[in-house]
Amino acid sequence: DSGVTQTPKHLITATGQRVTLRCSPRSGDLSVYWYQQSLDQGLQFLIQYYNGEERAKGNILERFSAQQFPDLHSELNLSSLELGDSALYFCASSPSGPHEKLFFGSGTQLSVL
Amino acid sequence: GQQVMQIPQYQHVQEGEDFTTYCNSSTTLSNIQWYKQRPGGHPVFLIQLVKSGEVKKQKRLTFQFGEAKKNSSLHITATQTTDVGTYFCASSWGSNYQLIWGAGTKLIIKP
Repeated sequence: DSGVTQTPKHLITATGQRVTLRCSPRSGDLSVYWYQQSLDQGLQFLIQYYNGEERAKGNILERFSAQQFPDLHSELNLSSLELGDSALYFCASSPSGPHEKLFFGSGTQLSVL
Repeated sequence: GQQVMQIPQYQHVQEGEDFTTYCNSSTTLSNIQWYKQRPGGHPVFLIQLVKSGEVKKQKRLTFQFGEAKKNSSLHITATQTTDVGTYFCASSWGSNYQLIWGAGTKLIIKP
C-alpha cells in the first residue's frame, strides 16, 4: 500500500460528459502529480501541484483541469470527454519535488463510451 | 524539450535469462529514478541514482548511472516470473520540477 488513495477505481461515462477524479496523497506529502496512461503506453505527465499551487504542467488538454485543496487532496476534472480520453489516470505524491521518489495510487480506469 | 530515450520497448526472455534496459539523454541528468509496473498495477519506485558512475544492487537487479550522467541501465540477472512487468526510468534536470519519463521496457517471460 503506497498510502496514496484514488477514487473511484473505475469510471464509465459517455462522450461529452464531465468527470472528477480524486486523490489523497500520503500523509505529509505536499506534492501531487497527475499522469495519464493509455493502454500499454507510457506515463504522460499532466500536472503537478505543490502545497496548493500549480508547479509544473505537462501535456494537459484545455478540457482538463486540476486543483489541490488546503487539506492537500487533489481533484482532476475532465470535461467534454472524448473516446480517446479513455485511459488509466494515476495520481502520485512526494514530500516536496520530483527529485524525490514518487508514490503512486492504484489509479482510476476511465472508460468513455 | 528534455527527453529520455529508453530501449528496448519490449524484451522477451526465457526464465533464467538476463534482462537489460537502457535509458539515454543528450544532456546531463541531475539524477535518475527507476520504477517497476506490474501488469494491472501502478508504478513502484525501485531506486534513485545521483552520482556519476554510481552502481547499486538490489538482489538480482543492478542499476548503473553513466560517468557523464547521460545514461543509465537496469540489469536483471536470471529472470524470474515475478520480474514480469514494465520498467521505467525517469529523470529531472536542475531546478526543473517536471520528471521526464522514458517510454518503458516491457519484460515478457516466454512460456
